[in-house]
Amino acid sequence: GQQVMQIPQYQHVQEGEDFTTYCNSSTTLSNIQWYKQRPGGHPVFLIQLVKSGEVKKQKRLTFQFGEAKKNSSLHITATQTTDVGTYVCRGNTDKLIFGTGTRLQVFP
Amino acid sequence: KAGVTQTPRYLIKTRGQQVTLSCSPISGHRSVSWYQQTPGQGLQFLFEYFSETQRNKGNFPGRFSGRQFSNSRSEMNVSTLELGDSALYLCASSFEPFHSGALNTGELFFGEGSRLTVL
Repeated sequence: GQQVMQIPQYQHVQEGEDFTTYCNSSTTLSNIQWYKQRPGGHPVFLIQLVKSGEVKKQKRLTFQFGEAKKNSSLHITATQTTDVGTYVCRGNTDKLIFGTGTRLQVFP
Repeated sequence: KAGVTQTPRYLIKTRGQQVTLSCSPISGHRSVSWYQQTPGQGLQFLFEYFSETQRNKGNFPGRFSGRQFSNSRSEMNVSTLELGDSALYLCASSFEPFHSGALNTGELFFGEGSRLTVL
């Protein structure tokens, strides 16, 4: 069946290091959204990507949508302790599918 | 404006019991969707309601059901609870319902969740 695989499952980084999480779909996505869930919190919308090859930036966060619209990445430059949380992608095919999430831990 | 409100926030039930969870969406939002979140499985889609009609349903057994009222408030019910039903149940509201293949999908606004423990 359709899946959105997200890797890695966990990532521990030292503050100041970069971080990247990837979402890979078995089918073409019409769009992809990214959410952040802080520990003990609920998912909060970050961004939506629609176009093939699209790149969007939010301060230290860079989001990319693959040319084939089957994969996407979220890159954080110079992580801070406030970046701690789980980053989840949500892909639109004929269903709404969430990735399993990447839990980011940042050590000061 | 007020966010998405879920009640109760925490509850403990025993196997075989049933539970009803409530979700009040953001004012003006008519779409409400429900999700089960567990550490191993992440966010699993349960169902979506729009204008009191179930539009989409995930791959959960019939023990999981829901409904939406005319004021857009939604409830989900789980009957004959099993240990594996222990999870955080999140509801989310959006202005428009999900449209498969749409280029623009409205963002979801999540509530704080209802944490269910089944003993």
